[in-house]
Order: sequence, then C-alpha cells, then structure tokens
Amino acid sequence: QKEVEQDPGPLSVPEGAIVSLNCTYSNSAFQYFMWYRQYSRKGPELLMYTYSSGNKEDGRFTAQVDKSSKYISLFIRDSQPSDSATYLCAMDDYKLSFGAGTTVTVRA
Amino acid sequence: EAQVTQNPRYLITVTGKKLTVTCSQNMNHEYMSWYRQDPGLGLRQIYYSMNVEVTDKGDVPEGYKVSRKEKRNFPLILESPSPNQTSLYFCASSFDRRGYTFGSGTRLTVV
Repeated sequence: QKEVEQDPGPLSVPEGAIVSLNCTYSNSAFQYFMWYRQYSRKGPELLMYTYSSGNKEDGRFTAQVDKSSKYISLFIRDSQPSDSATYLCAMDDYKLSFGAGTTVTVRA
Repeated sequence: EAQVTQNPRYLITVTGKKLTVTCSQNMNHEYMSWYRQDPGLGLRQIYYSMNVEVTDKGDVPEGYKVSRKEKRNFPLILESPSPNQTSLYFCASSFDRRGYTFGSGTRLTVV
C-alpha cells in the first residue's frame, strides 16, 4: 500500500465550478502537507502548505487537513481554464512523499 | 530571481557512461532533494539532504549517488546508467520543509 493515495482522475469541470481534490495517507509521522500544481513539461509549483488540522485559505484555494482521518483536501473556487493542470498532494517527514496527481481540465 | 537551476535540461546517453546532473539554488535553503517522475508511478524521491555533508536515501536510491559539499549545490551522479533510469528528474530545495521550490527538470534518456 502506498503511503499517499490520490485519485488520478481525470477530472473535467466547467469554468466557474468548484474543484475538489483529495488525498489519504497512512504515515502518522507526516508533519507538513502540501499541494503542488504541475503544468505539462514543467516542474511542480507550490500552491499551499499546512501543518495542522483545519482549513487554510489563499485566494480561490482552500486546503483542508484532518489528521484524525488522515485525509487532506484542496478546493479551487471559481475555476478558470488556466487552472487546468495536474495537482499533486505531498507530505513531509523529511522524506517528501507525493500522491499520484490528479489531472484537472476546466472547460471554457 | 530565486530559483533552482538544473543542468542539462535534456540528455541522451549510452548505458554505462557516467553522468552528472547539476542542481544549484540561490535561496540559502537547508534542504535539497532529487526526484524522478515516471508515468503511472508519479514523483519518487531519490535522495535528500538536510544540510552540507548530510544526505539520506529516499524511496529509489539504487543506481544513484549524491553529494552536498556546498549549501547551494546538490549534484546527482549516475555512475553506470541503465535504460531503466530513463526518466524526468527534478531537483528541489526548501528553507524549512514547508514547501519546496522545484527546478525545471532534466529529461534523461539512456540507450
């Protein structure tokens, strides 16, 4: 079983919709939880990080962590075609472990 | 500009010919690491470093070596590359592990 599980999708939504992305994990030692966005043939780009259970908001993005359930989420409000990318969750206990990535397409 | 610089961007080599992929960061970051990205397998950590002269294995270290003699540089060495090391490689760095900055990637093909 992988330490980090993420549904690879793909996910296709109309412009303006809310995108909901999720990951589960099994390693209780993870301390930091991150979401990255990766465009084709580019390096991952950090969107958000959290380190405690609860919500963190940054513009149209909200990250949620539930340590008791070992579950993290990313919500993208008012999605735009420019949000079309692969979204990767990642978790750190000195060794950074990534989910498989979810490919999201926002249709204009 | 704050960045992680990898070189080369593209490399085609033959089996067994030693190669080095360089990685340099200009942000005075403590933590640096290497990943490979393969279709269906995602991003997997090869090695990471917490500081100068401190390195440790990630999930897939076999066939790779690293060194951290200076804070800014973290080269990845393939002593005897094999075709199963054909992949897209990323270097990343972080000040405090609360988010990493990634390089643009090195696409390696071993024939």
